Amino acid sequence: GESVGLHLPTLSVQEGDNSIINCAYSNSASDYFIWYKQESGKGPQFIIDIRSNMDKRQGQRVTVLLNKTVKHLSLQIAATQPGDSAVYFCAESSWGKFQFGAGTQVVVTP
Amino acid sequence: EAQVTQNPRYLITVTGKKLTVTCSQNMNHEYMSWYRQDPGLGLRQIYYSMNVEVTDKGDVPEGYKVSRKEKRNFPLILESPSPNQTSLYFCASSLNGRRNEQFFGPGTRLTVL
Repeated sequence: GESVGLHLPTLSVQEGDNSIINCAYSNSASDYFIWYKQESGKGPQFIIDIRSNMDKRQGQRVTVLLNKTVKHLSLQIAATQPGDSAVYFCAESSWGKFQFGAGTQVVVTP
Repeated sequence: EAQVTQNPRYLITVTGKKLTVTCSQNMNHEYMSWYRQDPGLGLRQIYYSMNVEVTDKGDVPEGYKVSRKEKRNFPLILESPSPNQTSLYFCASSLNGRRNEQFFGPGTRLTVL
């Protein structure tokens, strides 16, 4: 998993398997959390978000889980595809101020 | 097409020569923000703006200035660039600064010699 300030870890996943990316956040006052995907040479792209009054949110093939007790965020990708290969960032926000994690490189193998 | 544009996309300059990176969005968003991205450090917020004439410091504001005179534009100014400002810069905007998806521009790669 990733945490703010750590070097970029890599997650290698076989095509069709589920992926889980973890993130530890630091600010107890953060009330909005987001996952972004960044492909090489492009800007970050929104995947899914969750507000602090929720603990789970599902999108298309993605689920975000929020555990405020231990300040932990995770992104689950179902049936990982080659197009999911990218760097994934978590971010926390409080009143417009954002902090991003260092990112996790996801590599999908055939 | 809804988008965030940045100019220039690539810039090589020398220490001390003032430069401006422009950012514009056509989505009528209230919130805009600047980030820099360095290897192993993720994105770090430089400045953000919740609305016109309202700007606030992010985590790494030193050496940068911004202004928000109109809703669509949020330029980033480096009055006296230094080599440690060599980085990949992203501008982003969202409907408002609270709990809304940010749309990112394509990035500006800046090299300061």
